[in-house]
Amino acid sequence: DTGVSQDPRHKITKRGQNVTFRCDPISEHNRLYWYRQTLGQGPEFLTYFQNEAQLEKSRLLSDRFSAERPKGSFSTLEIQRTEQGDSAMYLCASSLTGQSNEKLFFGSGTQLSVL
Amino acid sequence: QKEVEQNSGPLSVPEGAIASLNCTYSDRGSQSFFWYRQYSGKSPELIMSIYSNGDKEDGRFTAQLNKASQYVSLLIRDSQPSDSATYLCAVNLLDSWGKLQFGAGTQVVVTP
Repeated sequence: DTGVSQDPRHKITKRGQNVTFRCDPISEHNRLYWYRQTLGQGPEFLTYFQNEAQLEKSRLLSDRFSAERPKGSFSTLEIQRTEQGDSAMYLCASSLTGQSNEKLFFGSGTQLSVL
Repeated sequence: QKEVEQNSGPLSVPEGAIASLNCTYSDRGSQSFFWYRQYSGKSPELIMSIYSNGDKEDGRFTAQLNKASQYVSLLIRDSQPSDSATYLCAVNLLDSWGKLQFGAGTQVVVTP
């Protein structure tokens, strides 16, 4: 499978615990994005990388969230001290270009449930 | 006011008919426009992109863009039960190509 891969598919955790998600983009793609989607809403931008550089973070992203892409390949998203409001689908997407015709391809997502 | 607005539906369409989905956006700086299809419990799948005013056709799908009216639409011809899904409209801004703003989606139900 040469698409965007995310792991795990589902994560159930207790409030206050830390969780980490992984995303493997399409191999030749240099841009990687994290989005969050809650039920009945469209995906919401969180942050993105071009190669290993994190270029932008949403103002909505609390300090409890951190993302890395250490070698410009896979990325991790960590949430510290999880809260019930963090329950959502976390989507990773990748793309090749930084131009107007840039198209994002999404992974299957990680569904997080915080109890 | 939301930046990207869609009717939430559900939009019920008989099999074989045309489904018409609408989307309006607030930022006149929006440059590129996308339609994603999302089945329940799955991730969004890109089905159409449009960048200039007018119509763009791809198989049974036609996207229409009117930048003056800040309006983009999607037509699905010969609707099939497999088209039953939520359709998400997304736009981006100049120099923020991959930072998409999504609408909440329109649920389409195709009835046999």
